[in-house]
Amino acid sequence: AQKVTQAQTEISVVEKEDVTLDCVYETRDTTYYLFWYKQPPSGELVFLIRRNSFDEQNEISGRYSWNFQKSTSSFNFTITASQVVDSAVYFCALSEEAGNTDKLIFGTGTRLQVFP
Amino acid sequence: EAGVAQSPRYKIIEKRQSVAFWCNPISGHATLYWYQQILGQGPKLLIQFQNNGVVDDSQLPKDRFSAERLKGVDSTLKIQPAKLEDSAVYLCASSGGAVETQYFGPGTRLLVL
Repeated sequence: AQKVTQAQTEISVVEKEDVTLDCVYETRDTTYYLFWYKQPPSGELVFLIRRNSFDEQNEISGRYSWNFQKSTSSFNFTITASQVVDSAVYFCALSEEAGNTDKLIFGTGTRLQVFP
Repeated sequence: EAGVAQSPRYKIIEKRQSVAFWCNPISGHATLYWYQQILGQGPKLLIQFQNNGVVDDSQLPKDRFSAERLKGVDSTLKIQPAKLEDSAVYLCASSGGAVETQYFGPGTRLLVL
C-alpha cells in the first residue's frame, strides 16, 4: 500500500539555522512521483518540487535542496539559512502512475517555526 | 497565468444544513481534484475528474457528498446534510494531465456547528 511518513510533527529553529525535513515513503510501484508542498498560514498549498522515481539526482533551488534516496525510500528536504518566511507546514506526497487515478498520498506534515 | 480559484473562502453552517463549494481550475487543465483536509492531517482525495468524467470517487461519502464538473471546466462540491465531522478545509486542485503537477487553490474552510 502507498504510504508517506513524516515523523517530525514540529520543528523550531532560529533564523539562519539549517533545517532538514524528513520524508519516508512506501510503494510497490516502480514508477512513481514525489512532491513537496508548502502550506503557509493562509492555507494554500504551494508546489515546491516534483521528482520521478528514475531521477535520483539531488536538486538545489536557492536555499532549498532535496535528497532522494531510493535505497532508503526517503526524499528529504533541507532549507539552508532559514528565514522567518519559511515558517509553514510542509507536506511530502507520493503519486503513482499505475491505475486510473494519480491522486496524491500526503504525509501528515511537518510544522516548521523559524524564530527571529 | 491565473491560479485555481475557489469560493467561498469561509463558511459556517449548522449540522444538517447543506453547503456548496465552487472551483475554477487553471485554464486548459483537464484534470480536477477535490481534497478534504482535516485539521492536523494531510489532504485526502475525495474525487478526481478527467474533463467532465469521474476518474476516482472511492473516498467520497456518497450518501451526503456530491460533485459535478459541468462542461469539463468549473466544478461544484456539495454536502447535504452536513455533519460535525465535515468541518475541514476543502481544497481544489488541477493538473494538465496524468501524473502532472497538481496546483492547488486557496481552499474553503468549513465549520459545522
